[in-house]
Amino acid sequence: GAGVSQSPRYKVAKRGQDVALRCDPISGHVSLFWYQQALGQGPEFLTYFQNEAQLDKSGLPSDRFFAERPEGSVSTLKIQRTQQEDSAVYLCASSYYGVESNQPQHFGDGTRLSIL
Amino acid sequence: AQKITQTQPGMFVQEKEAVTLDCTYDTSDQSYGLFWYKQPSSGEMIFLIYQGSYDEQNATEGRYSLNFQKARKSANLVISASQLGDSAMYFCAMREGGYNNNDMRFGAGTRLTVKP
Repeated sequence: GAGVSQSPRYKVAKRGQDVALRCDPISGHVSLFWYQQALGQGPEFLTYFQNEAQLDKSGLPSDRFFAERPEGSVSTLKIQRTQQEDSAVYLCASSYYGVESNQPQHFGDGTRLSIL
Repeated sequence: AQKITQTQPGMFVQEKEAVTLDCTYDTSDQSYGLFWYKQPSSGEMIFLIYQGSYDEQNATEGRYSLNFQKARKSANLVISASQLGDSAMYFCAMREGGYNNNDMRFGAGTRLTVKP
């Protein structure tokens, strides 16, 4: 389809395992964002890419979280040594880069991560 | 400090009636953008409407309109002629101005239930 695609849709992991979440943005969108959404809350910003450059990672909660976008398209969010507090929905969004603040971000369906 | 405040955790509306979802924001920037998103139970975030801080007219998109009161820093979403399919979580979000500022802040959301 033409929208943002995320996989897997659901992920269950044991505490201490590493996980990798994938995001395929809308074709031609330069900007890519990762958000973490806890149950009953709004999304919280994690990190932002412009093409392959990670320009902002201020929202990553710890050094166990790592994101990459090596070729400026698909992005992977990796969480190492997962903890129970990492359980959340991880949303990816993309937008066509512009200098104005009016660019809406288009979201994927999210990956629901559960850490046992 | 909370940038976006949505004071209504839940709202009910009768089908075909109009409903207003409240949103207040906090910023010292002169240039910013305000967004509303809908999140059905399936989890995707659907962009609904945008209002720029310099826009003199309230934004409208079909049955959605934004009641923008800049002096009060409020950006309430009005949904006219509610439909059962409008039942979902609704999030207000803001992106402050600046060439490279892509950090979008979300409120905690309002759960809207449309009654038949």
